[in-house]
Amino acid sequence: DGGITQSPKYLFRKEGQNVTLSCEQNLNHDAMYWYRQDPGQGLRLIYYSQIVNDFQKGDIAEGYSVSREKKESFPLTVTSAQKNPTAFYLCASSTDRGLGYTFGSGTRLTVV
Amino acid sequence: AQTVTQSQPEMSVQEAETVTLSCTYDTSENNYYLFWYKQPPSRQMILVIRQEAYKQQNATENRFSVNFQKAAKSFSLKISDSQLGDTAMYFCAFMLFGRGNQGEKLIFGQGTELSVKP
Repeated sequence: DGGITQSPKYLFRKEGQNVTLSCEQNLNHDAMYWYRQDPGQGLRLIYYSQIVNDFQKGDIAEGYSVSREKKESFPLTVTSAQKNPTAFYLCASSTDRGLGYTFGSGTRLTVV
Repeated sequence: AQTVTQSQPEMSVQEAETVTLSCTYDTSENNYYLFWYKQPPSRQMILVIRQEAYKQQNATENRFSVNFQKAAKSFSLKISDSQLGDTAMYFCAFMLFGRGNQGEKLIFGQGTELSVKP
């Protein structure tokens, strides 16, 4: 079945560490997106990529980095520069934006 | 900049009744899409319904329908015959189209948590 796989489901990070969240899709979608979800704030866009080897900052890119070396993969690194990384992270992809996005099941990141 | 506002943080409805969730948005553009997404306790985001701004006819998907008022920039979701499985967070979302690298991003409202009671 086609879909988006995010891993891990839960992730714990010590202060000062970088961590990488995985996002893989087998839908042959060109565009991929990372959103952060906090209670009461909806989803906020971190980074997006509309084509391989190209990506743009979203509204809250500070403290995050991404790469898009393959069409299927769009990993997100949460760096030590991100001061409040505890959140739920959602990856999405699309081929025809008018049809909306397909979302992964998310990764819950907690700083310990 | 485009914004989406959902003014009802929480709502509840009795099973089998009808409920309407509100959404307003702000844009000076004419070409855009509007969406409602559902996020149940599993946290999987599910597309409920979509509307093209150039279409005057309101979109309908089974028990879900929208009231799209373009001049008022309003996009409410009506759920008829509410079921226990409709319990979820509902997000309204907006997307400009035709902007290439500068656009076609989903902008979300803050969400409305809907509880369907037996």
